Formats: sequence, structure tokens, C-alpha cells
Amino acid sequence: QVQLQESGSGLVKPSQTLSLTCAVSGDSINSGVYSWNWIRQTPGEGLEWIGYIFHSGTTLYNPSLKSRVTILLDRSKNHFSLNLSSVTAADTAVYYCARGGPYGNDVFDIWGQGTVVTVSS
Amino acid sequence: SYVLTQPPSVSVAPGQTARVTCGGSNIGTTNVHWYHQKPGQAPVLVVYDDSARPSGIPERFSGSSSGNTATLSISGVEADDEADYYCQVWDGNSDHPVFGGGTKLTVL
Repeated sequence: QVQLQESGSGLVKPSQTLSLTCAVSGDSINSGVYSWNWIRQTPGEGLEWIGYIFHSGTTLYNPSLKSRVTILLDRSKNHFSLNLSSVTAADTAVYYCARGGPYGNDVFDIWGQGTVVTVSS
Repeated sequence: SYVLTQPPSVSVAPGQTARVTCGGSNIGTTNVHWYHQKPGQAPVLVVYDDSARPSGIPERFSGSSSGNTATLSISGVEADDEADYYCQVWDGNSDHPVFGGGTKLTVL
């Protein structure tokens, strides 16, 4: 059974970088058929896709966040990570990692439980 | 960016059929996916590619899409179906997934 688990800092100061990790268990992140995604949710904006990475290292980011986002893969640890720079209060959200596939790279069939990130001084 | 419009809320009596709509320009020409989300939990995929069900999702959940509207139908609604429901598509113009604003389904 594939499971995803987010971890990282729950409190980030404005202008700093938000860093989260998603540990994948029950499957290899090296699988070529899946996309590994970050999605966030706020009460005001709802669900917002941040970006994804494939096993090859190929990434795709939401154009609205592209200048601040980096998603990386760590094959040795079977996890992927999110860095979001220059954060503001608007980046306060629940952050989810999710698997895309096998129904399609943009169909999120497995999600982590989510982690709350607050941007505040 | 492509905009998906959902009604904020839908109410239905137990045993009846609930229909949650998702409006978007020519949405019938793209694949629509649906998720439900209960408070404090992550979203769960219930329908993909307009009308297909992932394994483990009851046949009570079905979907359709045509023109400018996609619809998620839940027949024989149960109290446990009470949740927020989100539609999602791939925006081919800006090349990324987008979600609707969500609909809160209340079982009376």
C-alpha cells in the first residue's frame, strides 16, 4: 500500500524559504509512470496545484508560483521536496503531496495527510 | 487561467440523488476529475476522466460531462457522503491542473 507523508517546518518567517519533504513508502519514486506533486489548500483560494516532478527530474510548475518554486527528487531516500522562496502570509496553507497516476499524471490518486504551514514573524 | 465554477453548497435527503455541477468553458472537451474531502482529511479521488471510478469507490458515484458543465452524481446518498466535493481539469492553455472552488454537500 503506497503512502505519502509530509514533513517540515510548520512556521516560516516572511521573506524566508518554506521547505517540505514528502516521504514515499510502498513504491519506488523511481517509477517512470507517476508524477509526484505538491498541492496546497487555503480557506480563501481553495486547492492550488504547485508543481510536479518525474523520476527523470523533469519538473513543471504552476505559472503563478514558478519564480519561487523548486521541487527536487532524492532517489536514495525515496522522497521528494518542495522549496518555496520569499514567502508571505498568502503562502500560509495546508500543503499536500500527492501522486499523479496510474489514471493519469494529473489525476491525484494518493495524497499525504497534509501539513500546516504558517507564515508569520 | 481556466476557471471552474461550482455551487457553494448542495443539500439532499438520505437515499436521494445528489448532483454537484462544475462549470467551465467547453469543459465537455476535456477530462474532468472529482474528489471528496472530509474535515481535517486529504482529498480522495472518486471519479476520473469524467465518469470512471477508481478501485474501491462505490458504483453510487458517477460522472458525466457535456458542453460547459460536468456533473458528479451520487445516488442513494448516505450520511457518510457529507463532504466537500472538488472538480479538477488540466488547463491546456497555461499547462497545469486547476481545481474548482468546491461544493459542500449536506445530507439533511
